[in-house]
Amino acid sequence: KNQVEQSPQSLIILEGKNCTLQCNYTVSPFSNLRWYKQDTGRGPVSLTIMTFSENTKSNGRYTATLDADTKQSSLHITASQLSDSASYICVVSGVAAGNKLTFGGGTRVLVKP
Amino acid sequence: GAGVSQSPSNKVTEKGKDVELRCDPISGHTALYWYRQRLGQGLEFLIYFQGNSAPDKSGLPSDRFSAERTGESVSTLTIQRTQQEDSAVYLCASSPGGSGGRGEQFFGPGTRLTVL
Repeated sequence: KNQVEQSPQSLIILEGKNCTLQCNYTVSPFSNLRWYKQDTGRGPVSLTIMTFSENTKSNGRYTATLDADTKQSSLHITASQLSDSASYICVVSGVAAGNKLTFGGGTRVLVKP
Repeated sequence: GAGVSQSPSNKVTEKGKDVELRCDPISGHTALYWYRQRLGQGLEFLIYFQGNSAPDKSGLPSDRFSAERTGESVSTLTIQRTQQEDSAVYLCASSPGGSGGRGEQFFGPGTRLTVL
């Protein structure tokens, strides 16, 4: 069964600090992995999309890494801002998954001043 | 440009009533998806439309759920005889399509459904 597990479920960090979110998946064969940011009461917004051959991709202060061998990804937030408070969702697409994406449960990040 | 829009933003209904949720995708996007997100949980795939192809309904949880799409435009998700466990945020997403569901998806703000 295709699964995407994220950790931690939630974390609190101080403004200006860095943090790293983890994503482990069992989807195979793998097509691509995305990280989405979902603000409270809003739909998810894409941060990065990585394919099998990409190890790292940045979008401003967000940097995603991918190790397709160990089926792990991380999202690093640098110099956090209050506006980074949101849920971060890891989403994996498998080659054989047809039209379905497998969503992780998300990590809820709270940035405090 | 306009993004994906959904209506209503909030819907409160009584158990047993039917509800209809609407999604307007980004113009030109051939693919449209419906997801359900229960409180504090991840997104669950419900149904996928791609152009004029038969929709992928494999995620619909029961025959009380159905969805339609007119061409490559508006879609409606209908829940008949609503139950309390149907309470969730229903999210719609669209994408340019043509990549078997693996392309960039753009999400709407969702409809929060509460079944009393």
